[in-house]
Amino acid sequence: AQSVTQPDIHITVSEGASLELRCNYSYGATPYLFWYVQSPGQGLQLLLKYFSGDTLVQGIKGFEAEFKRSQSSFNLRKPSVHWSDAAEYFCAVGARDMRFGAGTRLTVKP
Amino acid sequence: EAGVAQSPRYKIIEKRQSVAFWCNPISGHATLYWYQQILGQGPKLLIQFQNNGVVDDSQLPKDRFSAERLKGVDSTLKIQPAKLEDSAVYLCASSLDRAGNEQFFGPGTRLTVL
Repeated sequence: AQSVTQPDIHITVSEGASLELRCNYSYGATPYLFWYVQSPGQGLQLLLKYFSGDTLVQGIKGFEAEFKRSQSSFNLRKPSVHWSDAAEYFCAVGARDMRFGAGTRLTVKP
Repeated sequence: EAGVAQSPRYKIIEKRQSVAFWCNPISGHATLYWYQQILGQGPKLLIQFQNNGVVDDSQLPKDRFSAERLKGVDSTLKIQPAKLEDSAVYLCASSLDRAGNEQFFGPGTRLTVL
């Protein structure tokens, strides 16, 4: 069965610092992988997605993610975090039947 | 382009009462999803519609939850009777079809069961 693990419940970074959020998945075939962001009281917004092709995926708001099949990972990165990036981030796997991780809450220190 | 609309945004009820949520997907989107997001967890898929047919309701507690999508557009999700553990945000999402296309999410309905 497909599943997603986000090992970090909460991460705090300083504004301007780099960011990496971890995501590990379990999936029987070539996975469809997604990263969503959720601000307080808001719905989920898609940051980026991977279906096939180039394993380094560029998304909105300066985010990128790299698919590593050998490690079953799809980690999200951003070179310089802004205060407005503080939110909950969800990794998801699947196409017709999407499974979400438990999320990583990002706090940005001034 | 209008997004996914949901109402109400907030609802407070007592246990054993009934409640219904409404969702209007993006125009032209054939697939509609209902998710339950309990505080501190990721969204969990409850039910998925393709047009007006159910394609996956394996995680829907059918003894108390029901959903319909008449005419393949709007959808309602009902809980009857509600339990304390149903307190959560109920998210509706839509996509063009099921084949891995991006799901667009509504703002959700926050349900509190007292």
